[in-house]
Amino acid sequence: GAVVSQHPSRVICKSGTSVKIECRSLDFQATTMFWYRQFPKKSLMLMATSNEGSKATYEQGVEKDKFLINHASLTLSTLTVTSAHPEDSSFYICSARGGRAADTQYFGPGTRLTVL
Amino acid sequence: LAKTTQPISMDSYEGQEVNITCSHNNIATNDYITWYQQFPSQGPRFIIQGYKTKVTNEVASLFIPADRKSSTLSLPRVSLSDTAVYYCLVGDEGDSSYKLIFGSGTRLLVRP
Repeated sequence: GAVVSQHPSRVICKSGTSVKIECRSLDFQATTMFWYRQFPKKSLMLMATSNEGSKATYEQGVEKDKFLINHASLTLSTLTVTSAHPEDSSFYICSARGGRAADTQYFGPGTRLTVL
Repeated sequence: LAKTTQPISMDSYEGQEVNITCSHNNIATNDYITWYQQFPSQGPRFIIQGYKTKVTNEVASLFIPADRKSSTLSLPRVSLSDTAVYYCLVGDEGDSSYKLIFGSGTRLLVRP
């Protein structure tokens, strides 16, 4: 299968600060990347879809000014949580598809964000 | 987007075969069926994908009847490490922007 990485794996920050999470496709070119969040014991919720070189498409109820997504290259997408608050604490997971991995989505290991 | 329905949880014992059935009555002609496994605090891991009949790989089999309104993931001889949440998803894998919408999944507990 294809490999997707995320960095950092976990981050703790103070309320009001911004946090950037990176998602990389390591062995394929990801034309499309997706960002999810997952609360404890719950399923994954899609936040947004991003295509390389274009603006992200956000799901209903997701604030685009709070969750900034950049997909500047075929191997990298970033999610920036701006002015983070405790309610933004969650598990953020990215997925990617494209190139030789066009047949399905491959997920990253996730990033645990804790906002104090 | 096709909606899927799975049992919320299942229990099994080591060495048994586990079959998890997923209903997707509104599956579209172009939709594929994909199963993922997720451990706590990890991203979902691709298990298997199919369109019709039967697909088998080194970890599981996927059975899809002719009407494609359901599918069954079969895990042969489960071990304790197979305890996880299993998600069934359907969608048009030929569409690069196709969005995967996760349902509640099936929480499998394998007991010694």
